[in-house]
Amino acid sequence: QKEVEQNSGPLSVPEGAIASLNCTYSDRGSQSFFWYRQYSGKSPELIMSIYSNGDKEDGRFTAQLNKASQYVSLLIRDSQPSDSATYLCAVKEGGSQGNLIFGKGTKLSVKP
Amino acid sequence: NAGVTQTPKFQVLKTGQSMTLQCAQDMNHNSMYWYRQDPGMGLRLIYYSASEGTTDKGEVPNGYNVSRLNKREFSLRLESAAPSQTSVYFCASSVTEAGANVLTFGAGSRLTVL
Repeated sequence: QKEVEQNSGPLSVPEGAIASLNCTYSDRGSQSFFWYRQYSGKSPELIMSIYSNGDKEDGRFTAQLNKASQYVSLLIRDSQPSDSATYLCAVKEGGSQGNLIFGKGTKLSVKP
Repeated sequence: NAGVTQTPKFQVLKTGQSMTLQCAQDMNHNSMYWYRQDPGMGLRLIYYSASEGTTDKGEVPNGYNVSRLNKREFSLRLESAAPSQTSVYFCASSVTEAGANVLTFGAGSRLTVL
């Protein structure tokens, strides 16, 4: 059974701090990794994708991937109350169909 | 630019009733998906359609059927609803980027089965 594990939280950080969200996965054949943000009562929206080991930065967001450790993380710098949401880690299954396996999500709360 | 449109947004059914969730995308994507999301369970794939005319089972297909009507539309049918199917259902479509299916989700359909 392929799994994607996330700490469910809630993770609480003060406004302006760095929020660090972590995800581990079981399928060594996975090549593509995604972070989705889901506000309460809304649908998930893609915020980052990462395919290679190392860091990928987009504005205040940085995704980090370590395939050897089967670990992917999302850093949010200068966290804002509007970043309060559930963050879903998704991993593409190895194989041709490429469907995503989602973690259960980490709830982030940014306190003013 | 509508993206992925789902109907209805809310539905209450009695056990044994049937219904169809409709989904349409206007992004010319080949692949479409139906997920359900339950508290503590995350998003789970019910069915997907890699292209027009094809459908495949996902992780939790029991109790559901799907139809890929054309490239734009992918419907999910509950033939005999059960309380265990109370959930939020998301339709999604995808574009392939670097070999991965990058999903765009619809707004969701909240279904309650009494």
